[in-house]
Amino acid sequence: AQKVTQAQTEISVVEKEDVTLDCVYETRDTTYYLFWYKQPPSGELVFLIRRNSFDEQNEISGRYSWNFQKSTSSFNFTITASQVVDSAVYFCALKLTGGGNKLTFGTGTQLKVEL
Amino acid sequence: GAGVSQTPSNKVTEKGKYVELRCDPISGHTALYWYRQSLGQGPEFLIYFQGTGAADDSGLPNDRFFAVRPEGSVSTLKIQRTERGDSAVYLCASSTRSTGELFFGEGSRLTVL
Repeated sequence: AQKVTQAQTEISVVEKEDVTLDCVYETRDTTYYLFWYKQPPSGELVFLIRRNSFDEQNEISGRYSWNFQKSTSSFNFTITASQVVDSAVYFCALKLTGGGNKLTFGTGTQLKVEL
Repeated sequence: GAGVSQTPSNKVTEKGKYVELRCDPISGHTALYWYRQSLGQGPEFLIYFQGTGAADDSGLPNDRFFAVRPEGSVSTLKIQRTERGDSAVYLCASSTRSTGELFFGEGSRLTVL
C-alpha cells in the first residue's frame, strides 16, 4: 500500500521568508505520479503541480519550486519570498498508474505567513 | 459557473437520518470523484466514476454509502442511517480522461448530531 507523510503539521513564517514543505512517500510501484495541492480557507483544493516518477528534473514556477529526489522518496515544495496570500494548507499526494485519479494524500501542512 | 459545484455547502442532520450530497462537475469532464476529508486530515478517496459507471468504489467505508451518476454528469452521494463518525467535508472533483489534474469543488460539510 502507498503512503504519503507530511511531518510538518504547521509552519509559521514572516512575509518574505523562504519556506520548504516536506513530503515523503512510500510505494512499491516504479511508475507513479506526485502532486501538490493548496487548500485555502474556502476549502477548494487547487492543483499546483504533477510530477511523474521518471522525471526527476526540478521545476520552478514563479516563487514556487519543487525538488523531487527519488533516492530519498521525497518531493519537497519551496516557496520563495513568501506572501500572506500563501497562507493555506498544502497537501502532497501520490497516484499510481492506472486507476484513474485515485490519489493518496498526506495529512497536510498548515502554512501561516504573517506580516 | 465553470467550476465544480457542490450542494448543499452545509448540512446538519441527526443520527440515523438519510442524506444526499450533490455534485455538478465541469462540463465535458468524464471522470468524477468523491473524497472525504475529516478535520485535520487529508482527503480520502471514496469512489470514482468514468461516465455513468463506478470504476472504483473501494474507498466507500461500508454499505451505508452509495453514489450514482445516472447520466454521466451530475452525481449524488447517498448516506443512509448517518452516524456521528460520518461528519466530515465531502469533496467532489472532476477531470478529463487523459490528464492528472483534478478540479475540486468547495465541498459539502456534513455534521451529524
